[in-house]
Amino acid sequence: DIQMTQSPSSLSASVGDRVTITCRASQGISNYLGWFQQKPGKAPKSLIYGASNLQSGVPSKFSGSGSGTDFTLTINSLQPEDFATYYCQQYYHYPLTFGGGTKVEIK
Amino acid sequence: QVQLVQSGAEVKNPGASVTVSCKASGYIFSTYFLHWVRQAPGQRLEWMGWIDAGRGNTKYSESFQGRVTITRDTSARTVYMDLSSLRSEDTAVYHCARGGDDNWNDLDYWGQGTLITVTS
Repeated sequence: DIQMTQSPSSLSASVGDRVTITCRASQGISNYLGWFQQKPGKAPKSLIYGASNLQSGVPSKFSGSGSGTDFTLTINSLQPEDFATYYCQQYYHYPLTFGGGTKVEIK
Repeated sequence: QVQLVQSGAEVKNPGASVTVSCKASGYIFSTYFLHWVRQAPGQRLEWMGWIDAGRGNTKYSESFQGRVTITRDTSARTVYMDLSSLRSEDTAVYHCARGGDDNWNDLDYWGQGTLITVTS
């Protein structure tokens, strides 16, 4: 199975900050990577697909980059509604696998 | 708008089976794949399998082979996930998720989740 490793596992940030989360795959996955946001008690929400494509309706403050094994999610101008847990997911090879999550908390 | 509405929480005994449903609306049901993903307490998201809602073909994670069955009722626009031989480790929130337009393994819309508790 392809292992997905996210870092950091948690971070504290202030409103207005720019935040970067990284995701590393245990083998190359081209650009078959998605990013999700999840708030407590809610379903995950898709933000990014194909490593860098914004899902419909997702604000442009979210951006993704990377290819192969190393990927990043950047959130510009952090707002209160952005405090959540973020997950990456590879869909290059079965079984589909997810990162362990990055919890973004208010400083 | 795309919506996936799941059935309610259930409590099951070890060894029992459970069926979770996922009713789709807001798009052409038969042209998309539906996946099942679970999230156990303190664990990462775990993919279970998918069904091609049009053809009925399925693919399962080897971690669940023999225990999970995904079916669909096209007239009801509903997908079902059956998990058998339940054990305490199966206690989790189970989500259905739609495969995207770009790639059927890109999970673009998710159901609200169904808590399945396995306890004696």
